[in-house]
Amino acid sequence: EPEVTQTPSHQVTQMGQEVILRCVPISNHLYFYWYRQILGQKVEFLVSFYNNEISEKSEIFDDQFSVERPDGSNFTLKIRSTKLEDSAMYFCASSGGTAYEKLFFGSGTQLSVL
Amino acid sequence: GDSVTQMEGPVTLSEEAFLTINCTYTATGYPSLFWYVQYPGEGLQLLLKATKADDKGSNKGFEATYRKETTSFHLEKGSVQVSDSAVYFCALNNNAGNMLTFGGGTRLMVKP
Repeated sequence: EPEVTQTPSHQVTQMGQEVILRCVPISNHLYFYWYRQILGQKVEFLVSFYNNEISEKSEIFDDQFSVERPDGSNFTLKIRSTKLEDSAMYFCASSGGTAYEKLFFGSGTQLSVL
Repeated sequence: GDSVTQMEGPVTLSEEAFLTINCTYTATGYPSLFWYVQYPGEGLQLLLKATKADDKGSNKGFEATYRKETTSFHLEKGSVQVSDSAVYFCALNNNAGNMLTFGGGTRLMVKP
C-alpha cells in the first residue's frame, strides 16, 4: 500500500528557532493535512491544503505556522519561532478526496523544543 | 464545537477476549464517524467508518454502529489477537470541511 513519508522522525530545536517538518504525500493525492498530538492529549487538526492554498485551518495555526508545497512531491510545515508548547508529534496526512475519504497518515515527526 | 470522547485506557485483555471501546460524540448536523488505529511506530490508519445513522462499519473483525440516538460509535471485536495491540482513535468529520476531530485515543494491550 502507498505510504506518506515524514522526515525527520525526531527533531530537537532550541526555543525561538525556525523548524521545517517535511512530508511526501501519496503521489496522486489532492488534499494534504497537518495534525499534531501533544503528549497525553488529543490529536488536533492544524491545517488542510488543496489546490496550492490553505482550505481550512484551526485556531492553533497562527502566524507562526506556514505550509508550502514547494514542488510536486513535498509538503512542508514551517514553525517560524518555536515555543516550548510546540513540542508534540506532528502528523502529515493526505487523501485523494475530502476528509470523508480515507486519510493516509505518516508515522510522524516528534518535535522537542528545549 | 464538535468533540469526541473515548474511554480512557489502557485496556488490557487476554487473547480471544471480547473488546468494546466506547466512543461518544457531540456535533452539529450529521457527521461521518471513523475509527483509526495506530500500531507501534506507524502512522494512523483508517480502520472503519460510517457516514449515516444506523450504518455499521466493519473491517478485520472490528465493527462499529453509528447510533444517532445515543450519539455513539462504539468499537467492538468478538475475539482479539495479540496483533490488535495498538492505540485506537475515534474521530468525526462534520461534513462542513476537511477537518477530523479526534478523541484522545485508547491504548489496547492484548496478552497471549
